[in-house]
Amino acid sequence: KAGVTQTPRYLIKTRGQQVTLSCSPISGHRSVSWYQQTPGQGLQFLFEYFSETQRNKGNFPGRFSGRQFSNSRSEMNVSTLELGDSALYLCASSTGTAQTGELFFGEGSRLTVL
Amino acid sequence: GENVEQHPSTLSVQEGDSAVIKCTYSDSASNYFPWYKQELGKRPQLIIDIRSNVGEKKDQRIAVTLNKTAKHFSLHITETQPEDSAVYFCAASARSGYSTLTFGKGTMLLVSP
Repeated sequence: KAGVTQTPRYLIKTRGQQVTLSCSPISGHRSVSWYQQTPGQGLQFLFEYFSETQRNKGNFPGRFSGRQFSNSRSEMNVSTLELGDSALYLCASSTGTAQTGELFFGEGSRLTVL
Repeated sequence: GENVEQHPSTLSVQEGDSAVIKCTYSDSASNYFPWYKQELGKRPQLIIDIRSNVGEKKDQRIAVTLNKTAKHFSLHITETQPEDSAVYFCAASARSGYSTLTFGKGTMLLVSP
């Protein structure tokens, strides 16, 4: 069974630009969530999508957005990049059902904003 | 919203010693408490979890305890080995089945041979 795949793995952008990150979940998983990981703040929840609907959203500005497609693949977008957006963005998939809780993380997309 | 505090931020032990990492949470509605291990340059992986209807859970050398009254939970690793060296994150969730976890800021565990 293939794991969670994130692309691109590394990218460098400049302030003011925008970026789109992609995540392909484990086959059969309907929930995709996104987390921002930085050295000082650990892992912070961005949003979760389940069956193409945003089910929950973290405390991030509106510059951070996402979507999920009918095949469960998800994208997140960050517009008007700021230096502080430099981070590792982790995508996690799960079944999203009531009895399970394990998140399967991808290897992440490391974003550097110059 | 939920807030999870994790201590210590770094922990150094000798091989064979025990290691304990503690977390507290603020939302009394939280009912699911996983622990993730992240090795250097790797993705976080679940090592053990506990639900609020259980006070303790063990899996070989690792165990987790939960005190709902005090709103804290702990990870215990016995007979530590160098391969246990990693960053450990505790987390809490109030919505079973949802992928909304509030993480602690992590504990870097270093096990010296």
